[in-house]
Order: sequence, then structure tokens, then C-alpha cells
Amino acid sequence: KAGVTQTPRYLIKTRGQQVTLSCSPISGHRSVSWYQQTPGQGLQFLFEYFSETQRNKGNFPGRFSGRQFSNSRSEMNVSTLELGDSALYLCASSLEGGNSYNEQFFGPGTRLTVL
Amino acid sequence: GQQLNQSPQSMFIQEGEDVSMNCTSSSIFNTWLWYKQDPGEGPVLLIALYKAGELTSNGRLTAQFGITRKDSFLNISASIPSDVGIYFCAGRPDSNYQLIWGAGTKLIIKP
Repeated sequence: KAGVTQTPRYLIKTRGQQVTLSCSPISGHRSVSWYQQTPGQGLQFLFEYFSETQRNKGNFPGRFSGRQFSNSRSEMNVSTLELGDSALYLCASSLEGGNSYNEQFFGPGTRLTVL
Repeated sequence: GQQLNQSPQSMFIQEGEDVSMNCTSSSIFNTWLWYKQDPGEGPVLLIALYKAGELTSNGRLTAQFGITRKDSFLNISASIPSDVGIYFCAGRPDSNYQLIWGAGTKLIIKP
């Protein structure tokens, strides 16, 4: 079974631009979560989607948004990029139901650099 | 909001040594997870714990769900070079739907 895939793996943008990152979960997984990780930091939760609905949201400004499609694929968008948005953006998927929900499987991440 | 205190922040060890790290919370958790992240990659799930007192092994790794339900421990026996990386704990509190993450323990093996 294929793992979580994220595209692109690397991205360079300039301040003020916007960016869209894509995540394809493991087949059969319907929950997709997004995290931001900056150097030396832990994982900062952005949001979680399930069945095309945002189910949870972290403490990030409205410039960060996301969506999920009917096939469970998810995208996140960051508008008006700032230097501080440079980070590794991680997507994780999990099964719904019981303890399986807790076991998140991560993609390799998208490394975003804002110049 | 909810926070996890993960310690130590980093560890310098000799190959062959045993390693211990832990996470503590201010509230009761019903799930503890341990992940390892290699540079430039996403975290990989190592061990999942769901019951207070539960002790689970995965090869040389052993993790325990504390009986107070407010802490968890990860031990690595006889460390090898490929153990280097950042280890994260994550937990789900009784009162919250969302996973809470520790800041990570960076494991470095001395040459």
C-alpha cells in the first residue's frame, strides 16, 4: 500500500506570493491533518479534514487555509507569504474509528522557503 | 492550551548505550504515541499505547504508558548509529479530540 505523498517536495517563493501544497493520503484513510515544522521546533498543528470538512483548526492566521476533496486528497494554501512561513509542511493521514484515528502516518513533507 | 513537556531536549550518547526519554502532561491522556523523525523526512510511528501501565516493545525500543496517565517513557537499548534523529511524543487528552505534540528529543551519537 502506498504511503502518504506530498507534492511538491521543495518550493521557493517570495514574500507576498501565495502557495498551494498537495497531499494524497494512504488509500482508505479519510482523515488528513496538516502541520508546520520550523527548524528545531516541534509540530504545530494547522488543521484537520475529514469527509471534506474541516474538523479541527490550530492557532494560525487566516492566511492559512485548506480543503479536502471527495477522494480524501487535501490541499493547503498560504496567501501573502511572509518570511516566517518558511518551514517543512507535513501532512498526515489516519483511519477513522477507534484507536486507529490516533495513529497518524506522515508524508515526507514539503519544504517551503520564502525569500 | 494543553502542553506536553518532553525531556531531555537533546542527548549525546555513545554507541551501545541505553537511552531514556519521557513526556509529561498536566492533564490525563488516553493515548500516547512515539514517533521518530529523520532529517528532511516526516515522522514515523514507532509505538502506540492505549492503556495505563501498558508496556510495549518494538525491537530495541520499549515504551510505557504511565499509571497516572499523565506521562509516558521511551527507552532504546544498545543504541546504534541509525537511532540518531528526533523522537517525538504525542498524546490525546481525555478532554480533547486533537493530538498534542511534544517538542522532541534530539538523539546524537558521539563519534
